[in-house]
Amino acid sequence: AQKITQTQPGMFVQEKEAVTLDCTYDTSDQSYGLFWYKQPSSGEMIFLIYQGSYDEQNATEGRYSLNFQKARKSANLVISASQLGDSAMYFCAMSRGSNYKLTFGKGTLLTVNP
Amino acid sequence: AAGVIQSPRHLIKEKRETATLKCYPIPRHDTVYWYQQGPGQDPQFLISFYEKMQSDKGSIPDRFSAQQFSDYHSELNMSSLELGDSALYFCASSLGTAVYGYTFGSGTRLTVV
Repeated sequence: AQKITQTQPGMFVQEKEAVTLDCTYDTSDQSYGLFWYKQPSSGEMIFLIYQGSYDEQNATEGRYSLNFQKARKSANLVISASQLGDSAMYFCAMSRGSNYKLTFGKGTLLTVNP
Repeated sequence: AAGVIQSPRHLIKEKRETATLKCYPIPRHDTVYWYQQGPGQDPQFLISFYEKMQSDKGSIPDRFSAQQFSDYHSELNMSSLELGDSALYFCASSLGTAVYGYTFGSGTRLTVV
């Protein structure tokens, strides 16, 4: 069975600083995908970034980058130059092979302070 | 760009009533996923459909059923509602196994009183 662990229930960061949100995963599959989603208080689930298990380079999308360490089974999200609008719940999720049924972690609530 | 449309956005039902949630995927998307997110919880996969056939099943109660129609929209039917069914229900859609474009709708917030 797949499992996603997010050990930080809450994180605080100063505006304009970088922040790393931790995610570790457990799977016996060779082919899998890792996702990060942002969920603001309004409730929608916003896709941020994706990393495939066979991708050799770390994924980047604007201010978001994914620090993928396969041997350690970690997929940390790095947000550079934090903005007040980044305050939200962040979920790490995993898919199995080409089946995009996602298994989510418990989430990290990020608060960006001015 | 067109997104995944869910209706209604909010729904209030009494215990033991029935609710129907609708999901309209992005045009040309052939796969639909349903998730349930309880208060303060992470989303849990319920069920998925590919080309109008059920493709996977998660922790969906027997009181719930779902289907995908010929126009690819999907409906989640929930009967004998319980207080614990109060949650945010998300639908997501994708085009086959293409990960980019895998998109969530804004969700339906169901409150059972």
